[in-house]
Amino acid sequence: ETGVTQTPRHLVMGMTNKKSLKCEQHLGHNAMYWYKQSAKKPLELMFVYSLEERVENNSVPSRFSPECPNSSHLFLHLHTLQPEDSALYLCASSQAWGAGELFFGEGSRLTVL
Amino acid sequence: AQSVAQPEDQVNVAEGNPLTVKCTYSVSGNPYLFWYVQYPNRGLQFLLKYITGDNLVKGSYGFEAEFNKSQTSFHLKKPSALVSDSALYFCAVREGYGGSQGNLIFGKGTKLSVKP
Repeated sequence: ETGVTQTPRHLVMGMTNKKSLKCEQHLGHNAMYWYKQSAKKPLELMFVYSLEERVENNSVPSRFSPECPNSSHLFLHLHTLQPEDSALYLCASSQAWGAGELFFGEGSRLTVL
Repeated sequence: AQSVAQPEDQVNVAEGNPLTVKCTYSVSGNPYLFWYVQYPNRGLQFLLKYITGDNLVKGSYGFEAEFNKSQTSFHLKKPSALVSDSALYFCAVREGYGGSQGNLIFGKGTKLSVKP
């Protein structure tokens, strides 16, 4: 059983919809991350939260809005996405920001129509 | 700026043969190097890491990797490949420890195909 759980595993949405991706980690880690994985491209770091505070935002469009209500939960709110936003969104956690290996969830496969 | 390259999009190996998946990196300081594996429709799983010490690092599922500072490489190896090793393999590097300097930079991935 993975220590990082992501829901939903699959999501199809229209460009005008609002949806959210959820991530929960059961490892007692202090840092959580959102990555975007597109075909034939390196993993793109989107956001980093350390001790519930956002510490990195790598020029991500405002149609992606993260939220970290506590150290175990991380959300990615999606609004007016574009078809090119279709990808696998991976959540990860680590003991501390930039330290230790990352533990990944299974990912949420997003398709924007 | 730090970067990592995986020069092969795909590696094909016969079962039982040794396998190598290549990775080269570029950092200004001492590198921290990682290998991850991704099976179809799954997240990434940690395989092994090099922080310091012995250049040959052993990891999960019989994999090992050799750190070569002069060639700035960290190739992943296994003496005898299994069909079940077929997956996507990612090399990652970070330049420091803690904070944004410690963010992992991933390569594009190499698809390993092991045929019976």
